[in-house]
Formats: sequence, structure tokens, C-alpha cells
Amino acid sequence: KQEVTQIPAALSVPEGENLVLNCSFTDSAIYNLQWFRQDPGKGLTSLLLIQSSQREQTSGRLNASLDKSSGRSTLYIAASQPGDSATYLCAVRDTGRRALTFGSGTRLQVQP
Amino acid sequence: SQTIHQWPATLVQPVGSPLSLECTVEGTSNPNLYWYRQAAGRGLQLLFYSVGIGQISSEVPQNLSASRPQDRQFILSSKKLLLSDSGFYLCAWSSRDRPYEQYFGPGTRLTVT
Repeated sequence: KQEVTQIPAALSVPEGENLVLNCSFTDSAIYNLQWFRQDPGKGLTSLLLIQSSQREQTSGRLNASLDKSSGRSTLYIAASQPGDSATYLCAVRDTGRRALTFGSGTRLQVQP
Repeated sequence: SQTIHQWPATLVQPVGSPLSLECTVEGTSNPNLYWYRQAAGRGLQLLFYSVGIGQISSEVPQNLSASRPQDRQFILSSKKLLLSDSGFYLCAWSSRDRPYEQYFGPGTRLTVT
């Protein structure tokens, strides 16, 4: 059974810092991996999707990497801003399955 | 463009009462539809998914049921709520062309008292 773990559970940084969020998964037979952002009491916004054949994806100040063989992904946020404060969720889609398996998220607070 | 709606946004219900949460998608046809639950301090868990009208698959055994009476309407129901049903319920959709990318609605916060 796939399990997704995100470390750290919470992170507080001053504005302007570069930071890395970590995601690990137990079964490397994934179809893709997706990073989401969730604001308090809100739905999920998709940030980046990495197919299993890809190593990384970039969107603006965000860069996500994938090392499928070691079961790891990182989300790099450059020059963090207070507006980046949210919970970041990592989710994997296993090959042949419809469901996404989510981690518990990293709650990020960027201090102005 | 496609949009997904959920209502109500928040709901407080007593134990033993019925439940009906609704999700509708606009701007696409024949989507795959999903219900997820996010319990306090836990990750999202897929409850149901549907590939077409009247076609429902359940991922986990539970006190809830789902129905898809129309192509772009997905309903989550319960006959008698339990305290453990409290949580944040998210509906999602994906297209037939890109089934691997899911888009989420704003969610419904359910508190069972």
C-alpha cells in the first residue's frame, strides 16, 4: 500500500528565504506526482505535476524534482513571500490506479 | 473554462441526521469525478470516484454513499451521520483526455455534533 510522508510538518521562515519541502513515497511504481497548495478552509490548487519519466518541473519561483527510484520529491520555493503561506500537499498517483495518495502536508508560514 | 462548485460551504449536523453534499462541474463533458475527505491532522483520502452517470466505485468501506444522477453532478450522502464523519470534503474532477490531473473544488466543512 502506498504511503506518502511529508517533512517537515510545519515550517516558519522569514520573507526572502529559499526553502525546500520534502515528500517521500514507499512504492516507486508511480504514474505521476503532484504538488498542491491549500489555503486555510479552501480547496486545493495544483502547482506542479511531474510525470514518472520526468526529473523536474518549474513554474515561476517553484521547482519540483522527482527521484522515482529513491521515492523522493522536493518542492523548492525561491525568494519566499508572505503570500506563499499555506499548506503544501504532495500526492502520488500509482500506475493503474485512479486514486491520488496524499501526504499530510507541510504548513508553511512566511514572516514579513 | 472549467469550474467546480460545492455546497454547502459549511455544515453542522447532529449525530444520526442525514447528509447530502453536492458537487457540480461546468465547462466540460463526461468528466471523472471524485470525493475526498480530509480529517483533522490527516491526509486526504479518496472515498468515491465515478467514470460516468450511475457508475460509482468506493475506495474504502464507510457510512457514506455517492451518486451521480447527471453527467456533471456528484452527490455524497449518508442516512445517519457519525461523529467520525466530521471533516473537510473535497470534490475533484479530471478530464477523459488528461485523467491523471485532478482539479479540486472549494470544499465543504462538515462538523457532526
